[in-house]
Amino acid sequence: DAGVIQSPRHEVTEMGQEVTLRCKPISGHDYLFWYRQTMMRGLELLIYFNNNVPIDDSGMPEDRFSAKMPNASFSTLKIQPSEPRDSAVYFCASRNSGRGDTQYFGPGTRLTVL
Amino acid sequence: EDKVVQSPLSLVVHEGDTVTLNCSYEVTNFRSLLWYKQEKKAPTFLFMLTSSGIEKKSGRLSSILDKKELSSILNITATQTGDSAIYLCAVGTNTGGFKTIFGAGTRLFVKA
Repeated sequence: DAGVIQSPRHEVTEMGQEVTLRCKPISGHDYLFWYRQTMMRGLELLIYFNNNVPIDDSGMPEDRFSAKMPNASFSTLKIQPSEPRDSAVYFCASRNSGRGDTQYFGPGTRLTVL
Repeated sequence: EDKVVQSPLSLVVHEGDTVTLNCSYEVTNFRSLLWYKQEKKAPTFLFMLTSSGIEKKSGRLSSILDKKELSSILNITATQTGDSAIYLCAVGTNTGGFKTIFGAGTRLFVKA
């Protein structure tokens, strides 16, 4: 089975540009999570969806961040405009609620904003 | 505010040593506690604990949950250099559906 797929794996952009990160969860999983990881703050939950519906976005740092899940097999995290402090690794994870609480992580997108 | 605290933050041991990593939590509506291992890439799942006092074991790794003390430990016996990683503790809650709070992690380095 394919795991969680994220793209791009690396993104380098300039301050002020729009950045879109993409995620394809494991087929059949009904929860999808977006995390951000930095050395300073560790792993932070940004937002999560259940059956494509956003449940909790309290971790989204500010209005520059938005996330969508138009269908069960695709989600995006958008940053507009990007700032240098957004530089981090962004992980997407998915979970099958019928099989416990384990979350399966994608490989991450390393974002660098210059 | 829900929180998960791990200790120590970092640890250096020699191959063959046994280590114990700690995780304590303060959350409302506790549901589960999970341990993950993170090397250079994404976290990978180790254990999920929901019941107090029942040890889960996988090879040289084992973990147990103490709901009375609101804590869990992860033990690694006969450590190997391949055990060098960040070990993350996460707590799942039923707040507003389902939510996961991660600790800062324990960075373990095993010397040959």
